[in-house]
Amino acid sequence: AQSVAQPEDQVNVAEGNPLTVKCTYSVSGNPYLFWYVQYPNRGLQFLLKYITGDNLVKGSYGFEAEFNKSQTSFHLKKPSALVSDSALYFCAVRDPDRGSTLGRLYFGRGTQLTVWP
Amino acid sequence: EADIYQTPRYLVIGTGKKITLECSQTMGHDKMYWYQQDPGMELHLIHYSYGVNSTEKGDLSSESTVSRIRTEHFPLTLESARPSHTSQYLCASSESFGELFFGEGSRLTVL
Repeated sequence: AQSVAQPEDQVNVAEGNPLTVKCTYSVSGNPYLFWYVQYPNRGLQFLLKYITGDNLVKGSYGFEAEFNKSQTSFHLKKPSALVSDSALYFCAVRDPDRGSTLGRLYFGRGTQLTVWP
Repeated sequence: EADIYQTPRYLVIGTGKKITLECSQTMGHDKMYWYQQDPGMELHLIHYSYGVNSTEKGDLSSESTVSRIRTEHFPLTLESARPSHTSQYLCASSESFGELFFGEGSRLTVL
């Protein structure tokens, strides 16, 4: 079965410091991995994805994520956090090798990132 | 910015009313989804569709129903709203293996 774990409900970091939001996954095949961000009272916005190729993926707003197959992780990172990065972050996985082309994503529970000035 | 639209954004209604949450996308995506999200919590898939006249129930049991008569339109209906239906409802669409594009959400409050 597909699953995604975001072990931290909250991450707090000072502005200008690097940030990491953790994500681990469990799929039976090769994963497609995604990160989304949600601001208050808004829908989810796509940040970046890993399908294949380079393990380091760069996305919107200066975010990047590193796919680590041996650790089944896909942590979201940013070298220098901004106050405006404060939001709810969701990791998601799709297993394209699972039966049909369902196209469904399985989401983690979300991590609330707070960046203080 | 994604071309997927949800209306209404906010709705407050009384118990027993019938409501329809609208979702439309202009990207020509075959796949569309409805997620339910309670405050600060994970998303639960309640309905999905892989094309016209195709609808399936998701992982979370829901008393709502959906229809997919046109590719671009995927409305969600509650025949008789109850306070337990109070939540945020997110509509999304995608191509086969691409990312999901989400609407801004419909926040429903049932009194």
